[in-house]
Amino acid sequence: AQRVTQPEKLLSVFKGAPVELKCNYSYSGSPELFWYVQYSRQRLQLLLRHISRESIKGFTADLNKGETSFHLKKPFAQEEDSAMYYCALPMDTGRRALTFGSGTRLQVQP
Amino acid sequence: KAGVTQTPRYLIKTRGQQVTLSCSPISGHRSVSWYQQTPGQGLQFLFEYFSETQRNKGNFPGRFSGRQFSNSRSEMNVSTLELGDSALYLCASSLNWRAGELFFGEGSRLTVL
Repeated sequence: AQRVTQPEKLLSVFKGAPVELKCNYSYSGSPELFWYVQYSRQRLQLLLRHISRESIKGFTADLNKGETSFHLKKPFAQEEDSAMYYCALPMDTGRRALTFGSGTRLQVQP
Repeated sequence: KAGVTQTPRYLIKTRGQQVTLSCSPISGHRSVSWYQQTPGQGLQFLFEYFSETQRNKGNFPGRFSGRQFSNSRSEMNVSTLELGDSALYLCASSLNWRAGELFFGEGSRLTVL
């Protein structure tokens, strides 16, 4: 079965420090990977997807098929980045259902 | 435009009862998915509906069921409630599944006593 692993429950950094939220996956075939974010008292929302190779709010994520990773990175953390981050991928090829990682809480301290 | 709306937002039930949760997707979105979120298991997929048909189903017992109406609104039902069904139930709608973008509602928090 497809699986997403986020090894860190909590990541605490100071403002201005680099951030790397880890995501490892197991998937047969070509995976599509996503990062979702939930800010305090807001809905879960899509942050970025690997297929579009975009940078959103300064965050980027590169798919590394060799290491089966899709780590989320930002060079300089801001306090407003504090949130819960979830890595996700489709449960199976062609299935319209996502498997989510357990999530990492990012805490950016002033 | 209005986001995904879920009702009720909070509810308390006792073991053995049943519950129905409702979800109104974003206008124009025909795919509606349901997820269960708990501290222990995280986000788990329940089922997905498209054009009134269940297209995908997660690994939940038959006590969990759902349906979708012609206006894309969806309901999920849990019968014979157990304590372990206490969770936040999230509904998400999607316009373009291939883009992988799900628009989530705020959820219905169910407490089973």
